[in-house]
Amino acid sequence: SYELTQPPSVSVSPGQTARITCSGDALPKQYAYWYQQKPGQAPVMVIYKDSERPSGIPERFSGSSSGTTVTLTISGVQAEDEADYYCQSADSSGTYVVFGGGTKLTVL
Amino acid sequence: QVQLVQSGAEVKKPGASVKVSCRASGYTFTTYGMHWVRQAPGQRLEWMGWINAGNGNTEYSQKLQGRVTITRDTSASTAYMELSSLRFEDTAVYYCARDFPYSTGSLDPWGQGTLVTVSS
Repeated sequence: SYELTQPPSVSVSPGQTARITCSGDALPKQYAYWYQQKPGQAPVMVIYKDSERPSGIPERFSGSSSGTTVTLTISGVQAEDEADYYCQSADSSGTYVVFGGGTKLTVL
Repeated sequence: QVQLVQSGAEVKKPGASVKVSCRASGYTFTTYGMHWVRQAPGQRLEWMGWINAGNGNTEYSQKLQGRVTITRDTSASTAYMELSSLRFEDTAVYYCARDFPYSTGSLDPWGQGTLVTVSS
């Protein structure tokens, strides 16, 4: 079955830039989405269609795509950004939704 | 605003079935699909399937095909997820999430989650 690969963890100091990657063979063909999940809460979408930001999401969240890798960038990281981040896409047929393994962002 | 409210926590024995509901408000229910996602303790998000709330068509993950059934009641603006032949490893928080209007196949917003515990 199709898989999306994320690093298990990323650590940054407040004010720095965090970059979280997600790799998958079908990413050149399918859009990627990013979700933020804080402990005990439901996920919240922070990026859709590779690089679009939903209403209400701070501008410091951005997304990009290059080949089989997509990247979530958080500029000027704040303590409140500490969370698990999941990428999501679809298999090459577009039929099945797939999530990455998640990346724990730690703000030092 | 769009809101998804799920039913309460459940405790089930192995082999039993569980049915979780998701009541939608703040939009026309039949316009958008509804996804179901689960998360075992400390684990990743796992997509279970989705339903086109307009025509009732469904798609299920290959892993859960045969054990999961997603339905909807348009008069009640409610989607349901039933999982049968429960196993200990089905213990998880189960979420419903609306298909995102700006990009089908993505999920926003999400319900608050329903904890299903499988225990003997």
